[in-house]
Amino acid sequence: QKEVEQNSGPLSVPEGAIASLNCTYSDRGSQSFFWYRQYSGKSPELIMFIYSNGDKEDGRFTAQLNKASQYVSLLIRDSQPSDSATYLCAVRPNTGNQFYFGTGTSLTVIP
Amino acid sequence: KAGVTQTPRYLIKTRGQQVTLSCSPISGHRSVSWYQQTPGQGLQFLFEYFSETQRNKGNFPGRFSGRQFSNSRSEMNVSTLELGDSALYLCASSRRGADYNEQFFGPGTRLTVL
Repeated sequence: QKEVEQNSGPLSVPEGAIASLNCTYSDRGSQSFFWYRQYSGKSPELIMFIYSNGDKEDGRFTAQLNKASQYVSLLIRDSQPSDSATYLCAVRPNTGNQFYFGTGTSLTVIP
Repeated sequence: KAGVTQTPRYLIKTRGQQVTLSCSPISGHRSVSWYQQTPGQGLQFLFEYFSETQRNKGNFPGRFSGRQFSNSRSEMNVSTLELGDSALYLCASSRRGADYNEQFFGPGTRLTVL
């Protein structure tokens, strides 16, 4: 079983819509959860991280964490064509300092 | 502030050869992690160094090794290259050790094994 799972997509949404990206993880003791964005041919860049159950908002992005159900999601409001990228979910377990990444969800925002 | 730099950006090698990749972290960052990214497997953790010590190691064969120098620069070495080692190798640096949250990735080294 993979540590972190994401729907590979592709996910297509029209410009201005809400894009919803989901991620599940297997280690119940995981403490930190991260969303990265990776444009084609580029390296991942951190969008935001979340530790506590509930929602965390940063501009058009909202991360949602539900530890009981072991999932974390990312909502992108007012999606823009520039949001078209692959979104990677990463989880850091309670022990150790390594990150486990999902394989990413490809998002396309259609103008 | 300069970002994470990796050299070389592109490499072409043949099976059986060895390769050394270099990573210079952001100034002040002491932790360097290495990842392999392939289309099928995604980003997979190789190892992490902090203050010249390997603290964590992923599930890769012993052909993959690394080290970190006193200036926090890090190198990774792959010996006896196989076709399946073709990938984008990314390093990421972070400021602290035991409880870091933000990793900043370098541009990567694209390795092609023929």
